[in-house]
Amino acid sequence: EPEVTQTPSHQVTQMGQEVILRCVPISNHLYFYWYRQILGQKVEFLVSFYNNEISEKSEIFDDQFSVERPDGSNFTLKIRSTKLEDSAMYFCASSGDRVGEQYFGPGTRLTVT
Amino acid sequence: RKEVEQDPGPFNVPEGATVAFNCTYSNSASQSFFWYRQDCRKEPKLLMSVYSSGNEDGRFTAQLNRASQYISLLIRDSKLSDSATYLCVVTPSSGGSYIPTFGRGTSLIVHP
Repeated sequence: EPEVTQTPSHQVTQMGQEVILRCVPISNHLYFYWYRQILGQKVEFLVSFYNNEISEKSEIFDDQFSVERPDGSNFTLKIRSTKLEDSAMYFCASSGDRVGEQYFGPGTRLTVT
Repeated sequence: RKEVEQDPGPFNVPEGATVAFNCTYSNSASQSFFWYRQDCRKEPKLLMSVYSSGNEDGRFTAQLNRASQYISLLIRDSKLSDSATYLCVVTPSSGGSYIPTFGRGTSLIVHP
C-alpha cells in the first residue's frame, strides 16, 4: 500500500538555526500539506501546495516558513531561525482529488533547544 | 469560539460496548466532514468521511446533522484495538478555501 514518508523522524536543533523537513508524498497525489502538532494539542494546518505553488496557508505559516517541491517526488518544509516554540511534531500529508481524505506521513519530531 | 469542538474524554469502556462521540462545528458553510483516528505519538489516519445521509463502515457509523451543526461517530462492539484518539475534521466551502480544521480529539480507552 502506498504511503507518505518523512525524514528525519527526529530533528534536534539549536535556536536560531535553519531546518529542512523532508517528505515524499504518495506518487499519484496532487495536493500536499504540512501540519504541526504541539505536544498535547490539536493538529494545526500550516500550508497546502498544488500545481507547484502554495494554494493556502494559515496564520502560523509566516515568513519564517517556506515550502518547496524541488523534484518530482520530494516536498520540503524549511523553517528559518527556529524558535523554542517551533518544537512540535510536523506532519506531511497528501491527497488525491478528494482533498479532505488525506494520508499522513509518520511525522518529524522537531526539538529546538 | 472554538471552530471544531469535541469532548476530550477519556471515554473508558469495556470490550464489546457501544460508544458514541459528538463533534460540533461553528462554521455553517462547512462542507466536508471526516473522522480520523490518532494513536499516541503517531500520525492521524483517515477513518471515514461523513456523508449527509450518514454512512456505515463495519462497526463504525457516522452521522451528520447540518441543522444542529454536529457530526457523530458510533462504534459498536468495541475492540481493544479501538483505543485511540478520534479526531473530527471539518473543511469549509466558502471562497474556495479547503483549509481543514481539526478538533482536539476524543480519547477512547477500551479495557478487557
